[in-house]
Amino acid sequence: EVHLLESGGDLVQPGGSLRLSCAASGFTFSSYAMGWVRQAPGKGLEWVSFITGSGDSTYYADSVKGRFTISRDNSKSTLYLQMNSLRVEDTAVHYCARRGIEGATNFDYWGQGTLVTVSS
Amino acid sequence: QSVLTQPPSVSAAPGQKVIISCSGSSSNIGNNYVSWYQQFPGTAPKFLIYDNNKRPSGIPDRFSGSKSGTSATLGITGLQTGDEADYYCGTWDSSLSAWVFGGGTKLTVL
Repeated sequence: EVHLLESGGDLVQPGGSLRLSCAASGFTFSSYAMGWVRQAPGKGLEWVSFITGSGDSTYYADSVKGRFTISRDNSKSTLYLQMNSLRVEDTAVHYCARRGIEGATNFDYWGQGTLVTVSS
Repeated sequence: QSVLTQPPSVSAAPGQKVIISCSGSSSNIGNNYVSWYQQFPGTAPKFLIYDNNKRPSGIPDRFSGSKSGTSATLGITGLQTGDEADYYCGTWDSSLSAWVFGGGTKLTVL
């Protein structure tokens, strides 16, 4: 059974940093691209970042480009999101999600989410 | 402002059918498959429809999807109170090199 478990969410001051982790199990992690999607309180889904299975290619939403870095450790089946220069508007539940089969335009499994709160 | 446009809310009576629309452009819906997600309050999104009209294992056939040009729709028949949730469409945008979602539609089963 596919399982994604995020961790690392916390309360942080504006300008601070945080690293989120997503531990994956139940599938061959290196064979799947992964992404981060966030949801601000009372708002809709917002895609944040995406990384291919090998980690060779990464993509970012304009709202986080230059501040966030996505990475993965396939030996540990873990996805990361390094978040720097955090802003109040980054406050959201952050979900990690698995992209479907190669070339798919969907996320077929989602974690339960971890809350990032940016506030002074 | 979301790249994909959905109505904020829809409603229908139990047992009835509802259609949720998702409008985009040639760089996203027009040239890529659309997926749909169901989200209950306080929970993670659930994968509902992929490749415009395919259902993952375990999703009842009351849920259906379709696409025409730069628009897609999610249909739900035989509405149940348990279907009350937020529904999101999503796809890849080839021009933006970004995943895009609709703003979400809140379904109320009256």
